[in-house]
Amino acid sequence: DTAVSQTPKYLVTQMGNDKSIKCEQNLGHDTMYWYKQDSKKFLKIMFSYNNKELIINETVPNRFSPKSPDKAHLNLHINSLELGDSAVYFCASSHTSGNEKLFFGSGTQLSVL
Amino acid sequence: AQTVTQSQPEMSVQEAETVTLSCTYDTSESDYYLFWYKQPPSRQMILVIRQEAYKQQNATENRFSVNFQKAAKSFSLKISDSQLGDAAMYFCAYRSRRIYNTDKLIFGTGTRLQVFP
Repeated sequence: DTAVSQTPKYLVTQMGNDKSIKCEQNLGHDTMYWYKQDSKKFLKIMFSYNNKELIINETVPNRFSPKSPDKAHLNLHINSLELGDSAVYFCASSHTSGNEKLFFGSGTQLSVL
Repeated sequence: AQTVTQSQPEMSVQEAETVTLSCTYDTSESDYYLFWYKQPPSRQMILVIRQEAYKQQNATENRFSVNFQKAAKSFSLKISDSQLGDAAMYFCAYRSRRIYNTDKLIFGTGTRLQVFP
């Protein structure tokens, strides 16, 4: 019954590897997002998709590639992982309307060694 | 570009007491939304309260209320009758009302609230 589910919850990997984080929402929302929370707890948007179309790309390195196969899914693939990529990554979804709250997944803690 | 500032990295309160968390923001827009999110140690982001800028009345949700001062661009959160479960990081966030600019929340840096018994 989880509204926004992302997997895995924890991801530990070596520098240089490629990894993916999956996200699915069952709320019927048309907009999905990826946020990054750094070690100081600062949350910043990375991407947003509306009806599978990329709307926002906040100057994220090309090594990060979001993919939205359908409205209910937004996956994040990261190539050539670097130490600085270590963070918690949150998926979220909402209706496009501005006052609609975002529903967040429980986050994926990525640790790059 | 819009910015959100939370000037209190940490706050503490005694159980059953009242605490106010500060938030200021900068925008040239007249219509927008403001939110407070709570992030407990479980990492889950939980919406606490939201305010539409065009509404003068301050939003309230049970023990949580806001003091929205549009001219001063201030949006503080008041927690009454604090409970141990209120201990968490609290984030203030801004969202534009313009189409497709609504697609992101801009967060402040957060305030860590400790609640003492």
